[in-house]
Amino acid sequence: DSGVTQTPKHLITATGQRVTLRCSPRSGDLSVYWYQQSLDQGLQFLIQYYNGEERAKGNILERFSAQQFPDLHSELNLSSLELGDSALYFCASSVDPSLAQFFGPGTRLTVL
Amino acid sequence: DAKTTQPTSMDCAEGRAANLPCNHSTISGNEYVYWYRQIHSQGPQYIIHGLKNNETNEMASLIITEDRKSSTLILPHATLRDTAVYYCIVRVGSQGGSEKLVFGKGTKLTVNP
Repeated sequence: DSGVTQTPKHLITATGQRVTLRCSPRSGDLSVYWYQQSLDQGLQFLIQYYNGEERAKGNILERFSAQQFPDLHSELNLSSLELGDSALYFCASSVDPSLAQFFGPGTRLTVL
Repeated sequence: DAKTTQPTSMDCAEGRAANLPCNHSTISGNEYVYWYRQIHSQGPQYIIHGLKNNETNEMASLIITEDRKSSTLILPHATLRDTAVYYCIVRVGSQGGSEKLVFGKGTKLTVNP
């Protein structure tokens, strides 16, 4: 158990819908990262927050957005969902951006 | 971040040492070598990291060559639960560098009974 929690575990929705994935980092970790893992793309970095501020962006679609709240939990919002958005979404956290990241169990999103 | 090269797959007998190689010939002086593994579709699990000295923790040992162009992750007594995809990642360890992890395809390690 890494100490990072993600909810929900599974999410099944339809195309065009909007969903919110939630991540609670390890106690004391200020940095949160979101990654997407699909069958054809592997693990891809989406976005990073540090102490409430966006710090780095990867290949995140404009339909996706995220934020980190004052209590340091983070949410990833996915809208206008397409079939290709079906994937595992992982959250990771670290006490400092320069140190090791610890991953949560992931949310499996299925878009029908 | 430097690119890494790993074998696609490896097999190991249960109870024996598993030695997973990684080439990172373009590594820079301030880049660390990180190892993660992913068991089935679980979240990647941090294993170990190092800069230039060999490192050991309760999970594994990391051997980095003197020129730092390659490294080996050693699982001393592999068990069936060590079957996973192992990722070698090179990343700057200081603030100001790229803090994201760039995952390649990794090595699929299968531990056989």
